[in-house]
Amino acid sequence: DIEMTQSPSSLSASVGDRVTITCQASLHINNYLNWYQQKPGKAPKLLIYDASNLETGVPSRFGGSGSGTDFTFTISSLQPEDLATYYCQQYKDLPLTFGGGTKVEIK
Amino acid sequence: EVQLVESGGGLVQPGRSLRLSCAASGITFSDYWMHWVRQAPGKGLVWVSRVNPDGSFTSYADSVKGRFAISRDNAENTLYLQMNSLRVDDTAVYYCATEGLGNDAFDNWGQGTMLTVSS
Repeated sequence: DIEMTQSPSSLSASVGDRVTITCQASLHINNYLNWYQQKPGKAPKLLIYDASNLETGVPSRFGGSGSGTDFTFTISSLQPEDLATYYCQQYKDLPLTFGGGTKVEIK
Repeated sequence: EVQLVESGGGLVQPGRSLRLSCAASGITFSDYWMHWVRQAPGKGLVWVSRVNPDGSFTSYADSVKGRFAISRDNAENTLYLQMNSLRVDDTAVYYCATEGLGNDAFDNWGQGTMLTVSS
């Protein structure tokens, strides 16, 4: 199985801060990586697909980059509504696997 | 508007069976690969199973292989997950999700249905 390692597991930042989350795959996965946001008590929501493509309707402060084994997810200016847990997910191979999640809190 | 509505969760004893359903609307259901993803309380997301658009091809996580069966009824726009020999560690919220037509991502999710396996 391809293991996805996210870091940090949690972070606290102020409104307006730039937030960066990393995701490392245990094998080369090209750009076969997606990012999701899960707000408390809600279903996940797709933000970024194919490592860097913004899903329709998602604010442009969210972004993604990377290829191969190392990926980055960025919130350029943190907003109060961004309180959530963020997950990366690979689709290079079955089983599809997720990172452990990064919980983002607002200071 | 795309809607995925799961149902069928509840409390069940270990070793028993249960079937989850996911009713889809707002999409041409028969165009989509469909998936089940679960989340144990306080834990992360785990992919469970997928089925191709016509229901002829399925895949499973090792943890459920041989116990769970995914299926679909395209006439009824409904996805199913038959779960047998349930174990305590199957306790989770179960989400159904569509796989995007233009990308291999879970682009629509249901609200989830909670399964608790306990004696």
